[in-house]
Amino acid sequence: RKEVEQDPGPFNVPEGATVAFNCTYSNSASQSFFWYRQDCRKEPKLLMSVYSSGNEDGRFTAQLNRASQYISLLIRDSKLSDSATYLCVVNNDYKLSFGAGTTVTVRA
Amino acid sequence: DADVTQTPRNRITKTGKRIMLECSQTKGHDRMYWYRQDPGLGLRLIYYSFDVKDINKGEISDGYSVSRQAQAKFSLSLESAIPNQTALYFCATSDSDLAGGLDTQYFGPGTRLTVL
Repeated sequence: RKEVEQDPGPFNVPEGATVAFNCTYSNSASQSFFWYRQDCRKEPKLLMSVYSSGNEDGRFTAQLNRASQYISLLIRDSKLSDSATYLCVVNNDYKLSFGAGTTVTVRA
Repeated sequence: DADVTQTPRNRITKTGKRIMLECSQTKGHDRMYWYRQDPGLGLRLIYYSFDVKDINKGEISDGYSVSRQAQAKFSLSLESAIPNQTALYFCATSDSDLAGGLDTQYFGPGTRLTVL
């Protein structure tokens, strides 16, 4: 079983729509969680950390469910610039495990 | 100037050749990492180093070696390249967030390696 599993998508949504997707992780002892964004095989960049209580950063909302071992990301009011691959990342003892990514395409 | 740089950015080589990929950082971070990315797979950790005297194998270290020449430099070598090492290679650095203990990683732009 992979350490981090994501629905690869693609999620194809119109501008202004809300899109949400999850990932699951296998190690219940994982310490911290992140969403990274990757554009067109460029370097991944941190989008946001994910806290147990859930957190927002502008149009992005992340949730963590430790009991069920999943993490979610919701994007409201989608912009064309949100088109990217979103990587779910889990920290185990300062080593990151990456999901394969969920591709989101926002169309005009 | 970029905080994490990688050279070369693209490389095509032949089976059996020795290849070195270099990574430099100006962020002052102690921790450095090498990953490879293949289509449909997540980034996979090859080697990591928590300081100059510390080198650790990741999940896919076979066929690779590393050298941490200084805090700012971490090189990845393929002693005898083979075609299934064709991939996108990323270097990353991190420093613990003292407040939250989170380990944000900052990535270089990547090296696209093709082994024929």
